[in-house]
Amino acid sequence: NAGVTQTPKFRVLKTGQSMTLLCAQDMNHEYMYWYRQDPGMGLRLIHYSVGEGTTAKGEVPDGYNVSRLKKQNFLLGLESAAPSQTSVYFCASSYRGTSTNEQFFGPGTRLTVL
Amino acid sequence: GESVGLHLPTLSVQEGDNSIINCAYSNSASDYFIWYKQESGKGPQFIIDIRSNMDKRQGQRVTVLLNKTVKHLSLQIAATQPGDSAVYFCAEPPQSHNTDKLIFGTGTRLQVFP
Repeated sequence: NAGVTQTPKFRVLKTGQSMTLLCAQDMNHEYMYWYRQDPGMGLRLIHYSVGEGTTAKGEVPDGYNVSRLKKQNFLLGLESAAPSQTSVYFCASSYRGTSTNEQFFGPGTRLTVL
Repeated sequence: GESVGLHLPTLSVQEGDNSIINCAYSNSASDYFIWYKQESGKGPQFIIDIRSNMDKRQGQRVTVLLNKTVKHLSLQIAATQPGDSAVYFCAEPPQSHNTDKLIFGTGTRLQVFP
C-alpha cells in the first residue's frame, strides 16, 4: 500500500494564481484532512471530510476550498493565492468507527506564493 | 526538508539517556490525547495515545503519562537513539467524545547527540 500520497511535492505560485493540491489514500479510510504547517506552529486544520461527498471547515478555512468526490481523494483548492498561504500542506486520513483517531499523514506539499 | 518550527522548544539529550517531552492542555474535559513524531521532511507519524480513564500507557520504548489534576501530559522515551531526533506533537480532539478532529500543540524538537 502507498498509504497517503500528495501531489505535487513543491509548487511556486504568483499572487492571484490558482492551484489544486491532490491527496490520495488507498487504505479505504472514511475521514480525510487538510492541514497547514508554518514555522513555530503546529498543524492547523483547514478543512476535513468525514465521508465521500461531505466536507467541513476546520480552524483556518478562509481562502481554501475542498472537494471529496471520491472516497480515496481529497482535493484542496486555492482560488487566488496570497503570500500568507505560503506554507507546508499536509493531508491525512483516518479510519472511522473507532474511539481513537490515528491519522495517517502524507509527505507534505511545500507551497510558496510570491 | 521543511522548516517545521524554527523557534520550537528544544530538548537536547545524549544518546542512551531517557527523554521526557511535556505538553500542557487547557480543557479539563478532554478525554483523549495522542502523541505524534515528525522527522525532518516528513509528515507526522502516530506514536501512542491515551484515554483520560488511564494515567499511564506504555509502548515500545515510549510511555505516556497523564496527570489530569494539573492538565499535563508527558511522553517518555527510554534509551534515546539518534533516530528519535524529530519534532514531537501532542494532540487532542477539540470536543469530548468526538474524535473526528484533532488540535495539535506547537511541538517540541528533540535533538539526540552522541
